[in-house]
Amino acid sequence: EPEVTQTPSHQVTQMGQEVILRCVPISNHLYFYWYRQILGQKVEFLVSFYNNEISEKSEIFDDQFSVERPDGSNFTLKIRSTKLEDSAMYFCASSSSGQSTDTQYFGPGTRLTVL
Amino acid sequence: GDSVTQMEGPVTLSEEAFLTINCTYTATGYPSLFWYVQYPGEGLQLLLKATKADDKGSNKGFEATYRKETTSFHLEKGSVQVSDSAVYFCALIPGRGSGGYNKLIFGAGTRLAVHP
Repeated sequence: EPEVTQTPSHQVTQMGQEVILRCVPISNHLYFYWYRQILGQKVEFLVSFYNNEISEKSEIFDDQFSVERPDGSNFTLKIRSTKLEDSAMYFCASSSSGQSTDTQYFGPGTRLTVL
Repeated sequence: GDSVTQMEGPVTLSEEAFLTINCTYTATGYPSLFWYVQYPGEGLQLLLKATKADDKGSNKGFEATYRKETTSFHLEKGSVQVSDSAVYFCALIPGRGSGGYNKLIFGAGTRLAVHP
């Protein structure tokens, strides 16, 4: 069964450093998403991406964040200058369409720890 | 704005007990409703979904019915197993029509612990 993959599984970084989280969505999917889950809190939407453009972003997704689909398979989330409060589990998801009825398939997550 | 409210956990049950996890939502229009499950150390997996009123989603013995009149989507299972121990998330995607760029809005999650 096709699945979403994410690398690395755990990333430790120093405050102020740049990090890039990588995702490989399911191959025939067209819509891509990033969510995050701070320990013990809700899963929160960050950004959605379609046709090489951001479709929607939350207030969390400020100028420190960017997303890119650098080739036909990868989807990346970059945090330019990490803060302590960026420590969280980051989930990538993909779906075949943007319909509200469509299922979003999640990857296993990248745990980001900012020291 | 749109939101999801779940019963607080943890829920602790003995094996073979009946499970209900309550979920209510606030949304404009007609959202699609989902239950995701997160097993220890793993990511989110879709458990079941319902996309219109009175639809029943079911999977692995779990069921939930989309109740528009009570804005609820309660998760039930008749006989839980130790392997069902996980965190369960109720979520919705707002129904803003086709072609929308849709985000999942999650509840806080309910931790279920099943003991032998």
